[in-house]
Order: sequence, then C-alpha cells, then structure tokens
Amino acid sequence: DAGVTQSPTHLIKTRGQHVTLRCSPISGHKSVSWYQQVLGQGPQFIFQYYEKEERGRGNFPDRFSARQFPNYSSELNVNALLLGDSALYLCASSFFGRGRYEQYFGPGTRLTVT
Amino acid sequence: AQSVTQLDSQVPVFEEAPVELRCNYSSSVSVYLFWYVQYPNQGLQLLLKYLSGSTLVKGINGFEAEFNKSQTSFHLRKPSVHISDTAEYFCAVWRSGGSNYKLTFGKGTLLTVNP
Repeated sequence: DAGVTQSPTHLIKTRGQHVTLRCSPISGHKSVSWYQQVLGQGPQFIFQYYEKEERGRGNFPDRFSARQFPNYSSELNVNALLLGDSALYLCASSFFGRGRYEQYFGPGTRLTVT
Repeated sequence: AQSVTQLDSQVPVFEEAPVELRCNYSSSVSVYLFWYVQYPNQGLQLLLKYLSGSTLVKGINGFEAEFNKSQTSFHLRKPSVHISDTAEYFCAVWRSGGSNYKLTFGKGTLLTVNP
C-alpha cells in the first residue's frame, strides 16, 4: 500500500508568482492536513480537510488556500509568493477513531522563492 | 491553545550512550502527545504516541517516552543510541476531543550521535 505522496518534490518560483502543491493520502484516510516547515523550525499547521470540508485553519494569510477532491487528494495553493514562503510543505494523511490514531506525513515539497 | 517547548535545541552524544530529549507542553485541556523523527531531506516519521492508558509508551527503534501529567512533560529516552539515530526530533500535541487533527509542534531537537 502506498504511503502519502506529494508532488512536486522541489520547486523554484519567483516572488509574486503562484504555486500549487499536491498530495495523495493513504488509501482509506479521509483527512488531509498541510503544514509549513521553515528551516530550523517545527512544522506549522496551515489547513485540515475532512470529507472535502475545511475543518481547521492555521494563522496564515488569505494568500494560502486549499481544497480536497472526491478521491480525498488535496491541493495547496499559494498566491503572490513572498521570499518568506520558502519552506518545506508537508502533507499529512489521518485516520482517527475506534481507539486508533494514524497520522502519516509525506516526504514534502521543498519550495524556494527567489 | 496548546504550546510545546523542547528544552534543548541540540543534543550531542556518543554512540551507545543513553539519551533523553525533553519536552514540556502547556494546555488547558487534555491532550494527546507524539514524538516524530525527521531525517535529513525527509518527511516526518511517527516514533511513538500517547493517547491513554499506561504512561510509559514504547515506540520504534528502541525509543520510549513517559507521560507525566503533573509535570506536563513527555520526555523521550533511549538507553543506547546508534549513529543512525542522528536526526531532528519533534514533540507534538493534539487537543483530545478536538474536531480537527491539528498538531502543535515544538521547535525540534537535533540529536547528533558521534562515534
């Protein structure tokens, strides 16, 4: 069974551009979360989606948006890129219930804004 | 709101020595606690978790952690480390009973195992 997959693995963009990052969760997981990890810091929560609905939003500007598709895959969009958006963007696929807790992270997308 | 403090940003140790990575949290509600490991240029891997039950939790790669509610701590330990344990370790909390799966992470502890 495949783990969480993210694409692309690396990306270089220029200030002002926009970017779309993609994530496919583990089969059977209906929740996807996005995190931003700036170099030297712990991951910061951006969004969580469950069954295509937004369930949580972190302290990020409106330039950041996301959506979840019927197959539970997800996209993170960032508009008007700033240098400070350079980071590793992590997707997490989650299942919780019936005494189980599963949250698995993908390998991340490394975004560099120049 | 929850917060997590990892008391040491870097911990250097020699191979086969014991190690403890410290984590304290603050929360006004019950939380679930996690330790993740991140190897260079990789995503996060779950080491262990505390949801309920025994306060001593065993994880992968020989790591264990103890939940101490009175001290609001969840320190990670390993009795004998290997070179391959060199990585960044993150402590994280999740508000139990919450409607979302938001994890709040600490800033991380870089464990460097020297020969």
